[in-house]
Amino acid sequence: GAVVSQHPSRVICKSGTSVKIECRSLDFQATTMFWYRQFPKQSLMLMATSNEGSKATYEQGVEKDKFLINHASLTLSTLTVTSAHPEDSSFYICSARDMGSLSSYNEQFFGPGTRLTVL
Amino acid sequence: SQKIEQNSEALNIQEGKTATLTCNYTNYSPAYLQWYRQDPGRGPVFLLLIRENEKEKRKERLKVTFDTTLKQSLFHITASQPADSATYLCALGYKLSFGAGTTVTVRA
Repeated sequence: GAVVSQHPSRVICKSGTSVKIECRSLDFQATTMFWYRQFPKQSLMLMATSNEGSKATYEQGVEKDKFLINHASLTLSTLTVTSAHPEDSSFYICSARDMGSLSSYNEQFFGPGTRLTVL
Repeated sequence: SQKIEQNSEALNIQEGKTATLTCNYTNYSPAYLQWYRQDPGRGPVFLLLIRENEKEKRKERLKVTFDTTLKQSLFHITASQPADSATYLCALGYKLSFGAGTTVTVRA
């Protein structure tokens, strides 16, 4: 199946700093990528939909100025957590759809996740 | 509001038995429903997709049913093995809304 990578896998930063997380589709092109956040023992919550070449669409309650998304190419989307605070500590997961494959049209491939800890 | 509920947080079963997980939803009219597996500290992995016109779908030891009248999907793991221990998530919609998940532990 298609592979999605994330970098870094874990990051620890000081409060007030910004952190960038990369999401790459390794062997397919993804016009749409999704960013999720998962707190301990909770399910994944969709934060935003990242569209190549256009602005991201944010879910209700997600601050777009705090979570900056850039979908610069068909294989790369980045999430920047600006001025991070301890409450932003979470597991961030991206996913992508392989729009070039009809058989997996509805299947999303997930990255391995990035563990963010803000001190 | 839309809701996806998975019947229990945790399910402990003996190796070789069948695990049955339930996913109920409200205020959705899904064309399809998906099941994912998530291991601790990892992203979800796609298992099965079942469409609204399919009653049942199988993949190896996994079986999924979909009842759009009851608004329910059942997920079965037959002949369970310790390696099946994980959290299983059901998901609906194009942008994937997830249930809270059921953590399955298979005892040897």
